[in-house]
Amino acid sequence: AQKITQTQPGMFVQEKEAVTLDCTYDTSDPSYGLFWYKQPSSGEMIFLIYQGSYDQQNATEGRYSLNFQKARKSANLVISASQLGDSAMYFCAMREGPNTGNQFYFGTGTSLTVIP
Amino acid sequence: EPEVTQTPSHQVTQMGQEVILRCVPISNHLYFYWYRQILGQKVEFLVSFYNNEISEKSEIFDDQFSVERPDGSNFTLKIRSTKLEDSAMYFCASSELVNQPQHFGDGTRLSIL
Repeated sequence: AQKITQTQPGMFVQEKEAVTLDCTYDTSDPSYGLFWYKQPSSGEMIFLIYQGSYDQQNATEGRYSLNFQKARKSANLVISASQLGDSAMYFCAMREGPNTGNQFYFGTGTSLTVIP
Repeated sequence: EPEVTQTPSHQVTQMGQEVILRCVPISNHLYFYWYRQILGQKVEFLVSFYNNEISEKSEIFDDQFSVERPDGSNFTLKIRSTKLEDSAMYFCASSELVNQPQHFGDGTRLSIL
């Protein structure tokens, strides 16, 4: 089974609108971390937001928030007030805990295009 | 803001040759990582490094690969006897602690001819 699943290969959003990028994960380890990264066309990886498995509240970083639903094993990224500069690939990633070897996994990514 | 730096930005190498990719992690970070991204595909974890030794590695990280921290600042990935399929973007990352966000370098694009 895939450790990280991103089911939306491509998404479009109107500028200034909000968009949700889906991510589901699979792990049996009670301790894990979830990350979102942005990869613009220039290729670099930019950290956006982190959620720990024991965190009680959903993580927020500026216009980014993570909708963490532990029972559903989902960690969707919400971008509010989309900007043209948000157009990029977005990767969801997970670090499993010590019980399962501290491995890191990335999803296949979602390509977001913001339309003016 | 401190950042992870990688050199070179682009490396072209003949098949069968050895290549060393270099990284300078953020200075107060304790965990270091290498990832690979084949063009158009997802990022793949290769190896993590802590306290001067490998802490985790993936199935991709076979005997062809090795990592080293030759001094207090550099973190290198060596690929021996390169193959065409080693062509990819290689990212170095570092984090303060294992459960902290990883900060990525801009990557080295490796092209094997």
